[in-house]
Amino acid sequence: QSALTQPPSASGSPGQSVTISCTGTSIDFGGYDYVAWYQQYPGKPPKLMIYEVNKRPSGVPDRFSGSKSGITASLTVSGLQAEDEGDYYCSSYAGGSNLDFGTGTKVTVL
Amino acid sequence: EVELVDSGGGLVQPGGSLRLSCVASGFDFNIYWKSWLRQAPGKGLEWVATIKHDAREKYYVDSVKGRFTISRDYAENSMYLEMSSVRVEDTAVYYCARVSSVTTTGAALYFDLWGRGTLVTVSS
Repeated sequence: QSALTQPPSASGSPGQSVTISCTGTSIDFGGYDYVAWYQQYPGKPPKLMIYEVNKRPSGVPDRFSGSKSGITASLTVSGLQAEDEGDYYCSSYAGGSNLDFGTGTKVTVL
Repeated sequence: EVELVDSGGGLVQPGGSLRLSCVASGFDFNIYWKSWLRQAPGKGLEWVATIKHDAREKYYVDSVKGRFTISRDYAENSMYLEMSSVRVEDTAVYYCARVSSVTTTGAALYFDLWGRGTLVTVSS
């Protein structure tokens, strides 16, 4: 398994938008829309925020949106709030029974 | 309350063994595929193993094949991870998780419920 590449950090002021990228290979993203995004607070388990590229589980605010183009997926958080500060990980199907995760991005609300 | 409670972590010497447990409450865990994932200190997430709801299919990341065994107990609504021949690089917080979607090849795609995690430290 190989990790998907994410920027180490991203930041924005309250009310602004922040976009996190997740870059893989054709193995990860080619032909599949199996991309997810997880939010994780320090010392807590991850929480599923986006699945199948752009779908939100029940209870996730519509400020969170996902997209994919080629071998790069993106998570956009609009109308940043203090509670959005945390680590974000992408994941993608990697063929066979494998699942790859991203390197993680720390989002800071200024 | 719907939750997963994972436990069993601790300090183990290289080459030793450990058994992690994950007990579900508030829902029927038996109808779901289930997985273990881990996160080394200060690092990202890594999928470790997945078991089909009827236990007929099990999948592992290459680095733990032959050393770790995933299982489930129908009566106890629970899941386990038997870890043997552990290595220093197995040191991590281990999470059990409920799988919400799986491919036809057995890949767990999304995890919609997670345990709080249990820390496994491999050190002499």
